[in-house]
Amino acid sequence: GNSVTQMEGPVTLSEEAFLTINCTYTATGYPSLFWYVQYPGEGLQLLLKATKADDKGSNKGFEATYRKETTSFHLEKGSVQVSDSAVYFCALSPYGATNKLIFGTGTLLAVQP
Amino acid sequence: KAGVTQTPRYLIKTRGQQVTLSCSPISGHRSVSWYQQTPGQGLQFLFEYFSETQRNKGNFPGRFSGRQFSNSRSEMNVSTLELGDSALYLCASSPVAGSTDTQYFGPGTRLTVL
Repeated sequence: GNSVTQMEGPVTLSEEAFLTINCTYTATGYPSLFWYVQYPGEGLQLLLKATKADDKGSNKGFEATYRKETTSFHLEKGSVQVSDSAVYFCALSPYGATNKLIFGTGTLLAVQP
Repeated sequence: KAGVTQTPRYLIKTRGQQVTLSCSPISGHRSVSWYQQTPGQGLQFLFEYFSETQRNKGNFPGRFSGRQFSNSRSEMNVSTLELGDSALYLCASSPVAGSTDTQYFGPGTRLTVL
């Protein structure tokens, strides 16, 4: 079946540190991959996405590359800010005519000044 | 363009009651999906509607149901509420139903079952 595994949190970093949140997936075919972010008390916001192998999604300094050979979609940012503190969810949408999203468990990021 | 709106934002119910939640998608979006978010189970897919038809259903009991209207607005209903139904219910919309589509989420309805 389809599933997403992401690293356990919380991740605590100092401002301007480098961020990596690991995400691996299991899926048949060619899923689309997403990173969503959830700020306290809010819904989910799309951070970035990639729809085919070797695609790189990027937004607001965050990047992730769709690696089919390692079934991974790790999230990276070169220099985090306090305002990046949130929960980050990796998700996949199985290939086909569907909008169903399968989420990882989420990783809480806390950035300290 | 207005985002996805969900009403009500907060609800308190007691066990055994039923509840209806509403979701209005972004104008022009025809696909609406629902998710349940709990601390224990995380984010779980409930169902997906496109052009008034349910296209996909998650692994939830029959107490959870939904529908979509001709204007793409969607409702979900939970009957015979249980304590474990306490959760944040999120609705997402997208223009069509395709795996590459970006889904835009609403702020959610926080349901508390006492």
